[in-house]
Amino acid sequence: ETGVTQTPRHLVMGMTNKKSLKCEQHLGHNAMYWYKQSAKKPLELMFVYSLEERVENNSVPSRFSPECPNSSHLFLHLHTLQPEDSALYLCASSQDRTGGFRTDTQYFGPGTRLTVL
Amino acid sequence: KNQVEQSPQSLIILEGKNCTLQCNYTVSPFSNLRWYKQDTGRGPVSLTIMTFSENTKSNGRYTATLDADTKQSSLHITASQLSDSASYICVVTLMNTGFQKLVFGTGTRLLVSP
Repeated sequence: ETGVTQTPRHLVMGMTNKKSLKCEQHLGHNAMYWYKQSAKKPLELMFVYSLEERVENNSVPSRFSPECPNSSHLFLHLHTLQPEDSALYLCASSQDRTGGFRTDTQYFGPGTRLTVL
Repeated sequence: KNQVEQSPQSLIILEGKNCTLQCNYTVSPFSNLRWYKQDTGRGPVSLTIMTFSENTKSNGRYTATLDADTKQSSLHITASQLSDSASYICVVTLMNTGFQKLVFGTGTRLLVSP
């Protein structure tokens, strides 16, 4: 777990709260990702920062706001969440290269278990 | 639509027994297929990776196979141990020149019983 770390590991918040999830990668990678993992559903890609380009998933509500101040740190700012946002939020990183045949492995953090009351 | 389907959803086996997990995918264009292991409360960890030209790949007691023609993959676990209890997720990477786009299956939850 020392490759990609996430804090906090568990978070309980009310619908009117504002909180932030933090992710840090110690692998020297240049791409970072936020995923949402709900029970019995596939991992859902939320946001990508790759080669300093931000790629958004248009289906993610605006109450989720990512921030990537540098290639090692990634944040997910949360505000006015809904109970259905309760899930495991996973951060991942990889070493991406422009073009070519891609076999880069994504390394995942342990996740933040979020509960919205 | 790009999809990855896994079966069974869950499986219970006795310690020391073998098992095989299945993955069918409809992802195009295909780049590679990975099997990840996710322990409870942890993030997924990559077990194997196969490109379209590879039929099989082993990692200790884990052996993955790939049939690119039928778009099927399997993960065989030999001589199971209690520590193999986890979710196993099949993941297919789309071939593109932008960021990595992965298509995830819902996983097979394996319980190895003593």
